Amino acid sequence: NAGVTQTPKFQVLKTGQSMTLQCAQDMNHEYMSWYRQDPGMGLRLIHYSVGAGITDQGEVPNGYNVSRSTTEDFPLRLLSAAPSQTSVYFCASSRALWDNQPQHFGDGTRLSIL
Amino acid sequence: DAKTTQPPSMDCAEGRAANLPCNHSTISGNEYVYWYRQIHSQGPQYIIHGLKNNETNEMASLIITEDRKSSTLILPHATLRDTAVYYCIVKPPGANSKLTFGKGITLSVRP
Repeated sequence: NAGVTQTPKFQVLKTGQSMTLQCAQDMNHEYMSWYRQDPGMGLRLIHYSVGAGITDQGEVPNGYNVSRSTTEDFPLRLLSAAPSQTSVYFCASSRALWDNQPQHFGDGTRLSIL
Repeated sequence: DAKTTQPPSMDCAEGRAANLPCNHSTISGNEYVYWYRQIHSQGPQYIIHGLKNNETNEMASLIITEDRKSSTLILPHATLRDTAVYYCIVKPPGANSKLTFGKGITLSVRP
C-alpha cells in the first residue's frame, strides 16, 4: 500500500551542488507532477508528465529538470542548487488525463540550500 | 479554471460537525469541486470531490448548491487530528489541467 514515495525526506545542500529528488508510484498512474511549497504560499507546479517520455513545464520550472523514462518514476533534478530553491517539494500522481480522479501526494522532501 | 474563495480560518469543538464553506461563483459546467487537506508538515491529502450531486465517503460529505456556485465540506464528528488547512479546488476533469491550491481555510479543532 505504498502509493507515492518520495526520497529523501530531508536534504541539506550547498549552493551550486546538484541533486535528484526521487518520486515513485506503484498505482500505474499516467500523470505525475512536482510542486514546491514555500511558507505562506500555496503549492506551485514545477513540472508535470502525462506519460512515459512526455514532460512539460508548470508555473515555476526554472532551475529544475525532469525526465520520465518509466511510468513509475519521475525524478526532479536540481543542476546547480540556489538558496531560492529552499522549499518543501511534493510529488503527486493520478490516473489518465480525461477522468476526474484525484491526485495522490507523497509526504514531501524538505530541502535546504545553504 | 474557476477560482475559489474560502474564509481564512474557523474553529469547532471536538466531536461536533465542522462545516467548511467555499464559494466558486464562476464555476463552469464541466468543472469538479475537489477538497484536499494538509496536516502540518505532511503532503496534501485528498478528501472528496463532486460535480453537482452531494457526495459522501468515509471521511466527509460534500454538499454542492443547486446552482453550483458554492459548496460545503462537512466533517461529521471533528477530532483533534482534523486540525489542518483545507483547500477547495475547482478544475475540469483530466489530470492535464492544473490543480491550483489557494491559501485554504485553517480549521482548528478545540478539545
